[in-house]
Amino acid sequence: SQQGEEDPQALSIQEGENATMNCSYKTSINNLQWYRQNSGRGLVHLILIRSNEREKHSGRLRVTLDTSKKSSSLLITASRAADTASYFCATAQGGSEKLVFGKGTKLTVNP
Amino acid sequence: NAGVMQNPRHLVRRRGQEARLRCSPVKGHSHVYWYRQLPEEGLKFMVYLQKENIIDESGMPKERFSAEFPKEGPSILRIQQVVRGDSAAYFCASSPISLGGGSNQPQHFGDGTRLSIL
Repeated sequence: SQQGEEDPQALSIQEGENATMNCSYKTSINNLQWYRQNSGRGLVHLILIRSNEREKHSGRLRVTLDTSKKSSSLLITASRAADTASYFCATAQGGSEKLVFGKGTKLTVNP
Repeated sequence: NAGVMQNPRHLVRRRGQEARLRCSPVKGHSHVYWYRQLPEEGLKFMVYLQKENIIDESGMPKERFSAEFPKEGPSILRIQQVVRGDSAAYFCASSPISLGGGSNQPQHFGDGTRLSIL
């Protein structure tokens, strides 16, 4: 079964608004990563947050991690039409090199 | 700097044929991962390789699928006797050597090979 589950599955907002996506997972992790995928393309790494971190920022991105609730959120502030893409969380578990991905949130930012 | 290069971008095969997917990792990266993605789904891990070694193939079907990462040249994912259910996008990712292990580094993805089985 999927380790990460994103919520919502789809999100449609207007340019300038903030977008929040959530991710829940089931087992203990080393880190949690967020990736973005434009239609027909590969995944682009956005941000990595380690299990001992609670919050991380990168430009307009803000990621939080709550290991007690096994959940993470990705906030994109002041969204742009170019942010339209699918966003995936992926977890890395101890002792394993592989990433386990959720099904993603499809974000549409309307101009 | 070139990123992860995958070819072909699109591959069409008839049932029973073989499919060979190639992946050249980022220069200097020694960890290669293959993932499969079905429409509207996330990526599912298939196999993790280092040069000349398969480290974790827990996500790869036991039959018809094989992967290699030779000392020289690209990593190859090979699917023999393809069936309709093999239709998917196959992504390769790479990461550099890390004392913490590859999963403590972001993975760099190629644009994938879209495999269609007629």
